[in-house]
Amino acid sequence: SQQGEEDPQALSIQEGENATMNCSYKTSINNLQWYRQNSGRGLVHLILIRSNEREKHSGRLRVTLDTSKKSSSLLITASRAADTASYFCAPWNSNSGYALNFGKGTSLLVTP
Amino acid sequence: NAGVTQTPKFRVLKTGQSMTLLCAQDMNHEYMYWYRQDPGMGLRLIHYSVGEGTTAKGEVPDGYNVSRLKKQNFLLGLESAAPSQTSVYFCASSYKASTPNTEAFFGQGTRLTVV
Repeated sequence: SQQGEEDPQALSIQEGENATMNCSYKTSINNLQWYRQNSGRGLVHLILIRSNEREKHSGRLRVTLDTSKKSSSLLITASRAADTASYFCAPWNSNSGYALNFGKGTSLLVTP
Repeated sequence: NAGVTQTPKFRVLKTGQSMTLLCAQDMNHEYMYWYRQDPGMGLRLIHYSVGEGTTAKGEVPDGYNVSRLKKQNFLLGLESAAPSQTSVYFCASSYKASTPNTEAFFGQGTRLTVV
């Protein structure tokens, strides 16, 4: 089944800096989603990018997709302490079933 | 709207006991999922369902059973709990993956401890 692998596993930055995390996957996809999880809470959907899109923006979030490299990146600009959370990617392919699989995530710590 | 509601939020079981976790969604979603999350392991898919009356195994199905008798409910059962099943369990639901609004909505989680 399709599953993404996030990198780095942990990232620590200061408020105001940009945070970049990456996701790699193994087979072709129809779309890829990014989610955020605050400590102890359920995941919250951030953004979905389709296979025919290369870049997508949502507020301070910028997601890119490179299907030739089978990778995606999530950029959070001007980070805030409230962005401290774990971030997960979920690549999806209609040929590999309907399951939505997640990796181990990137743990982001934003310090004041 | 309540979204995705999990019951209970916390539970302590003794080894060998059984229990059922309930997930309810009020968004008329076709797909529902059960995950477990352990430290350093991310989310692992246990079982999922693509519609009423249908279920499928995920990555770690052993020791669990599920049922989807009603579209809005997805039940996760532990027939004989083991300490290895101590975890945080999350339920999620979504529209069909092929539709534009395919984001998954998650419940608040159930913290289960098996002693």
